[in-house]
Amino acid sequence: EPEVTQTPSHQVTQMGQEVILRCVPISNHLYFYWYRQILGQKVEFLVSFYNNEISEKSEIFDDQFSVERPDGSNFTLKIRSTKLEDSAMYFCASMIEDYGGYSNQPQHFGDGTRLSIL
Amino acid sequence: DQQVKQNSPSLSVQEGRISILNCDYTNSMFDYFLWYKKYPAEGPTFLISISSIKDKNEDGRFTVFLNKSAKHLSLHIVPSQPGDSAVYFCAASANSGNTPLVFGKGTRLSVIA
Repeated sequence: EPEVTQTPSHQVTQMGQEVILRCVPISNHLYFYWYRQILGQKVEFLVSFYNNEISEKSEIFDDQFSVERPDGSNFTLKIRSTKLEDSAMYFCASMIEDYGGYSNQPQHFGDGTRLSIL
Repeated sequence: DQQVKQNSPSLSVQEGRISILNCDYTNSMFDYFLWYKKYPAEGPTFLISISSIKDKNEDGRFTVFLNKSAKHLSLHIVPSQPGDSAVYFCAASANSGNTPLVFGKGTRLSVIA
C-alpha cells in the first residue's frame, strides 16, 4: 500500500540553526500538509499546500517557517532559526484530489520526524 | 480551543469484548469526521471516517456512529483484539474534508488478553 515517507526520523539541532524536514507524499495525491505534536499535546495543523502554493496556514506557521515542493515528489518544511519550543514531532500528510469540492477523502500521514532543539 | 474533545484519556477492555471510544465536537461547521490509530513511533493511521450525511459507517470490526444533534461520535471495535492496543484520535474537518483536520487529544486503548 502506498505510504507517505518522512526523513529524517529524528533530527537534533542547535537553537538558532536552520532545519529542513523532508516528506515524499503518496504519488497521486495533490494536497499536502504539515502538522506537529508537542509532547503531551494535541496534533495541530501548521500548513496546507495545493497547486504549488500555500492554501491555508495556522497562527503557528509564522515567518520562520516555509514550505516547498522543489521537484514534484518531495515536500519540505523549513524552519529558519529554530527555537526550543519548536521541539516536537512533525507529521507530513497528503490527500488525493478533491473531486469537485465534495471530497470526503482522508489525509494519510507519515511516521513523523522527531525534532529536538538543544 | 477545544473544538474536538476526547474526554477519556485511557480505556482498558478485555480481549473479545467491545471497545467504545467517544468524541465530542463543538464546531457545527464540521461535516467530516475521522478516526486514526497511532502506535508509538509511528504516524496516525487512518481507520474509518463518516460524513455528516450519515449516522453510521461500518468497516469490518470497526463502526463509527455520528449523532449530529448531540455533536457526538463514537468508535466501536468488536471484538477487540490485543493488536488494537494503541492511541485513537478523533479528527474533524469542514467543507467535506477540504479544511485542515482538528484533532482530539486521543484515547489510549489497552486490550487485555
